[in-house]
Amino acid sequence: AQTVTQSQPEMSVQEAETVTLSCTYDTSESDYYLFWYKQPPSRQMILVIRQEAYKQQNATENRFSVNFQKAAKSFSLKISDSQLGDAAMYFCAYRRSNTGNQFYFGTGTSLTVIP
Amino acid sequence: DAGVIQSPRHEVTEMGQEVTLRCKPISGHDYLFWYRQTMMRGLELLIYFNNNVPIDDSGMPEDRFSAKMPNASFSTLKIQPSEPRDSAVYFCASSLSSGSNEQFFGPGTRLTVL
Repeated sequence: AQTVTQSQPEMSVQEAETVTLSCTYDTSESDYYLFWYKQPPSRQMILVIRQEAYKQQNATENRFSVNFQKAAKSFSLKISDSQLGDAAMYFCAYRRSNTGNQFYFGTGTSLTVIP
Repeated sequence: DAGVIQSPRHEVTEMGQEVTLRCKPISGHDYLFWYRQTMMRGLELLIYFNNNVPIDDSGMPEDRFSAKMPNASFSTLKIQPSEPRDSAVYFCASSLSSGSNEQFFGPGTRLTVL
């Protein structure tokens, strides 16, 4: 079974600084997708960034980037120039590429941004 | 598109009552998911549909929970009878089977069972 582990229940970062959120996953598949979702206090789940496992290049979306280490099954999220609006719960998710659209979510990391 | 629509946004009911949560997926999406989120258990997948057909309901906690998708634009999650431990935020999400396969989430329904 696929499992996604986020080992940091809580993280904090100073405004304008950089923070990295960790995620590891367990799979025997070679092709899959990985996602980071953000859940602010409004509780709306918002996609932050996605990565296809077959792509070696790390995905980037403005201030958000990932460090994808396929061999290590690691998928960390880096937030640069942190802003107050980045404060939220962040969930890592895994999806197999060939069967269904089922996602496997981690337990989340609560990020606090200190002004 | 208006995104995934869920109703009601908040529901407060008494133990033993029937509760029905509703979801309208994004038009054209062929997958629909129901999740439950609690502090203790995090985000749990309850059931998902493909082309209105339930594919995996192994996450449904017990027989008190049921879900239907009578057509491509509507799904319900019913709890009968409700219990205090069912209190949670229930999310509906939809996605396409092709492309990025991103799941788009609704705003959630916060259920409180007294």
